[in-house]
Amino acid sequence: AQTVTQSQPEMSVQEAETVTLSCTYDTSESNYYLFWYKQPPSRQMILVIRQEAYKQQNATENRFSVNFQKAAKSFSLKISDSQLGDTAMYFCAFMKGSSNTGKLIFGQGTTLQVKP
Amino acid sequence: DTAVSQTPKYLVTQMGNDKSIKCEQNLGHDTMYWYKQDSKKFLKIMFSYNNKELIINETVPNRFSPKSPDKAHLNLHINSLELGDSAVYFCASSQFAGVRTGELFFGEGSRLTVL
Repeated sequence: AQTVTQSQPEMSVQEAETVTLSCTYDTSESNYYLFWYKQPPSRQMILVIRQEAYKQQNATENRFSVNFQKAAKSFSLKISDSQLGDTAMYFCAFMKGSSNTGKLIFGQGTTLQVKP
Repeated sequence: DTAVSQTPKYLVTQMGNDKSIKCEQNLGHDTMYWYKQDSKKFLKIMFSYNNKELIINETVPNRFSPKSPDKAHLNLHINSLELGDSAVYFCASSQFAGVRTGELFFGEGSRLTVL
């Protein structure tokens, strides 16, 4: 069975600084996808960034980038130039590449507070 | 226009009652989901439907019965509510052909409180 672990329940960062959120996962699959979802206080879950396991290049989306270490089964999210609107709960998630169900397995989440 | 909409957004009810949460998506997706977020914010899938057919039932008690009248709707009915059912229930949708991209579009959640 796959598991996703986020070991940082809470983090804080000053506005305009950089913060890294950690995620590790466990799987015996060779083909899979990893994601970071954001849940702001409004509750709605929003996809931040996605990484295909077969791609060596780390995904980036504007101020958001990942450090994907496949051998170490690590998938961290770096947020550069943090903004107040980045305050939210961040969830790391896993999906089997062979999945035809769309089932996402989520980590416990990390609450990020961006301070002015 | 809200892509995935759920009603009601808040629901407070007594133990033993039956309640329903409705979900509609206007994205043209053919796969819909129900996820449950507990008090510790842990998210877990409950059900998944593709083209009105059940494809995931994640060992959810029989008191929970999803119904998909068409591709755009997935409702969740809960019988004999228990205290432990208190949670936020999220509806989501995705395009089956693109389901492997993992981009699920979520609704705003329905917070259910059982007293």
